[in-house]
Amino acid sequence: SQQGEEDPQALSIQEGENATMNCSYKTSINNLQWYRQNSGRGLVHLILIRSNEREKHSGRLRVTLDTSKKSSSLLITASRAADTASYFCATQPGAGGTSYGKLTFGQGTILTVHP
Amino acid sequence: GAGVSQSPSNKVTEKGKDVELRCDPISGHTALYWYRQSLGQGLEFLIYFQGNSAPDKSGLPSDRFSAERTGGSVSTLTIQRTQQEDSAVYLCASSLGLASRGYGYTFGSGTRLTVV
Repeated sequence: SQQGEEDPQALSIQEGENATMNCSYKTSINNLQWYRQNSGRGLVHLILIRSNEREKHSGRLRVTLDTSKKSSSLLITASRAADTASYFCATQPGAGGTSYGKLTFGQGTILTVHP
Repeated sequence: GAGVSQSPSNKVTEKGKDVELRCDPISGHTALYWYRQSLGQGLEFLIYFQGNSAPDKSGLPSDRFSAERTGGSVSTLTIQRTQQEDSAVYLCASSLGLASRGYGYTFGSGTRLTVV
């Protein structure tokens, strides 16, 4: 089963607007990561936030994490047509065991930015 | 190499045939992961390696699927007696260490497998 669930499933905005995508998860985590995928091929790592962090920035990206609500959000400011892609959150479990070393990905949000 | 290399990029095979998918990770990356993605879906975990050992094979869908990694480098995912439901993009990723230690993945471009 998927650990992370993104919301919305699809988002369509105009260039220059901000895009916000949300991710909810079920079990405790060690860290949460966001990835971007173009054209259904390889994913690109965007940003990682650890369970003891609340907010992180990278360029036009801002990620927040609320462990009490088991949720994270990815904000892309001043969006561009080139930001059009699918965005996935991925969680790394906080507990031990064989699942400890891997990431579990959500279903993704399809973002379309219109010029 | 500079990135994670997967081959072939596309594979069309007849139902019942065996296929081998190859992944060449970034040099020095100890962890290697296999996922698959069906059209419009998220990533489904298959197996991961730490060095040459596979601590978690829980995602392999059936005993027709197997994977190995040799020399702490190249990995091969083998699907025997392919079925149409095996059609998907198979993605390989590598990382310097496990995700538990805060490492992100570097993905290859994937192998698109079509079983006809």
